[in-house]
Amino acid sequence: EIVLTQSPGTLSLSPGERATLSCRASQSVSSSNLVWYQQRPGQAPRLLIYGASTRATGIPDRFSGSGSGSETDFTLTISRLEPEDFAVYYCQRYSPSLLTWTFGQGTKVELK
Amino acid sequence: QVQLQESGPGLVKPLETLSLTCKVSGGSISNHYWSWIRQSPGKGLEWIGYIYYTGSTYQNPSLKSRVTVSMDTSNNQFSLTLTSVTAADTAVYYCARRGRYGYFFDLWGQGAPVTVSS
Repeated sequence: EIVLTQSPGTLSLSPGERATLSCRASQSVSSSNLVWYQQRPGQAPRLLIYGASTRATGIPDRFSGSGSGSETDFTLTISRLEPEDFAVYYCQRYSPSLLTWTFGQGTKVELK
Repeated sequence: QVQLQESGPGLVKPLETLSLTCKVSGGSISNHYWSWIRQSPGKGLEWIGYIYYTGSTYQNPSLKSRVTVSMDTSNNQFSLTLTSVTAADTAVYYCARRGRYGYFFDLWGQGAPVTVSS
């Protein structure tokens, strides 16, 4: 089973700074099945990015994802942190062979 | 707009059965895949299983023997049954809709916390 490992565990930044979050797969995965979510305290996860780099409806363009084809390293970048961006971010992939979804353990972006 | 709302007991005794329902409002349950996902401090986010509006289902192999996902199209809702629960099943349970054009979840319920304890 392919494992998704997110780093760092916690990112301490200030509003206006750039955040770079990593999601590494234990084996090569298709970027078409790589997704990012944001979870604010007390809320359900919210879809941010799908297909590794396509923003979901209503997601501001300060959020961007990178990764294409089949690879192991994917990145979520928040270009300029807004107060509402301090949250936990999860990557997720779908396994076409196992027909299941798995999530990374999350990266918390906290106020410095 | 479409909204999802989970409901069910917040406390279940060990070895008993956990039952939750997800009500779909503002839209039809048809033409979508509907999933259950749970979140616990120990295991993070874990996909449990899905049901398609036609009634076909698939469960996470790690839980398959204990999970049933069913649908009530007349009431626009679907349900989760998890048997023989233990403390490890304590989690917030979410229902979610799979995006029509990809393998992601584009709509989530607010979550139902469930504690397994005697």
